[in-house]
Order: sequence, then C-alpha cells, then structure tokens
Amino acid sequence: SQTIHQWPATLVQPVGSPLSLECTVEGTSNPNLYWYRQAAGRGLQLLFYSVGIGQISSEVPQNLSASRPQDRQFILSSKKLLLSDSGFYLCAWSVRQRNGYTFGSGTRLTVV
Amino acid sequence: AQSVTQLDSQVPVFEEAPVELRCNYSSSVSVYLFWYVQYPNQGLQLLLKYLSGSTLVKGINGFEAEFNKSQTSFHLRKPSVHISDTAEYFCAVNNYGQNFVFGPGTRLSVLP
Repeated sequence: SQTIHQWPATLVQPVGSPLSLECTVEGTSNPNLYWYRQAAGRGLQLLFYSVGIGQISSEVPQNLSASRPQDRQFILSSKKLLLSDSGFYLCAWSVRQRNGYTFGSGTRLTVV
Repeated sequence: AQSVTQLDSQVPVFEEAPVELRCNYSSSVSVYLFWYVQYPNQGLQLLLKYLSGSTLVKGINGFEAEFNKSQTSFHLRKPSVHISDTAEYFCAVNNYGQNFVFGPGTRLSVLP
C-alpha cells in the first residue's frame, strides 16, 4: 500500500539554527511531491513542488530550500531559521491529479 | 488563474444539526474538485472528489457535495453532524494537470 512518512512530528529550534525536515513515500514510483506550510490560523501555502529527482520548483521566495535526492524522498531545509518560519509543515504526494493529494501527518515547527 | 473561495471562515453548529460549508471557484476550464478535512495537528484527509458525471458525490463520514457548474460552486453538506466532525475543511480545485489550489479553509465547530 502507499504510505507517506514525515518527521519529526514536532520541533523547537532557536532563531538562526539550521533546519532539515524529511518526507518519504512508499508504494509508488515517480510521484509529484509537495511541501506546504500552514501559519497559525491561516490556510495552506505551497512552498515547493517536484516532478522528479533533482527537479524543484519554488512558489514563494524565502530562506527555505528543498531537495529531492531520491525518487521518493523530499527534504525541506534552511540554513538559518527566522521567527516567521514557525508553522505546520505538510508534505504531500500525487501520481494522478484525479486522485488528489495524499498528505503526511505534518511537522509542527516552533522557532524561538 | 484558478482561485477558490470559502465564504465562511468559521461555522458553529449544534450537534445533530445539518451543515453546509460553501466553496466557490473560478476557472476558465473544466476542473476536478475536492474536499479535504484536517483534524487538529494532523495532515489533510480526502473527504470526497468530483471528477465528472453525477453532480452529487458522496464521501466518507456521511458527507456529500454537489457540483454546480453554472454557479461554479461545490458546497459540502452533512445532514446531521457529530462532535467528532469538529475540524478544518478545505476545498481544492485542479484543472487537469496544474497544481492544486486550496481555499483558505472553514473551521467547523460542533457544539454539544
């Protein structure tokens, strides 16, 4: 069966520290992968998406970056976190648009 | 460009009462339509989707939605809500290959 793993579930990091969030998908090949962020009380903001290994599209310019080193692995990174990076980060995948997205369980990031 | 409007940011309703969550979209072409539910500190789960055919679609947990092409709407309904339906609900649109566009979400609060 197809599953998506996202970790860690919660993370508290000081301002200026680096960040690495990982997302892996099982049971499918060549998925489209997505990183979304939800700020407190706000909707979903698409940060990055990838249609293949090494192919990253950025939707919002900021101090975050994404990488896709393997077909089913998607990593969200930052060299120096800002307070405004706090939020709930969601990874998602899709193979066929008609099937919709499947979301991970999310990472709650608090920058202090 | 596509856009999705969810007219109500918050909807309080008493248990066992009916509820309708409104969604309108703008697109110049045919689209796929989706409703997702998000429980606190969790990822999004697919409730139901409209691809083509019958305009009334049924989903999980007793929810249903009706596609109205002339009004470009896809409202979500449930005849009798439960406390466990308290969550955030997102409407989303996809026009056959582009990335999904999500609405801002509606927070449904079911009161005892």
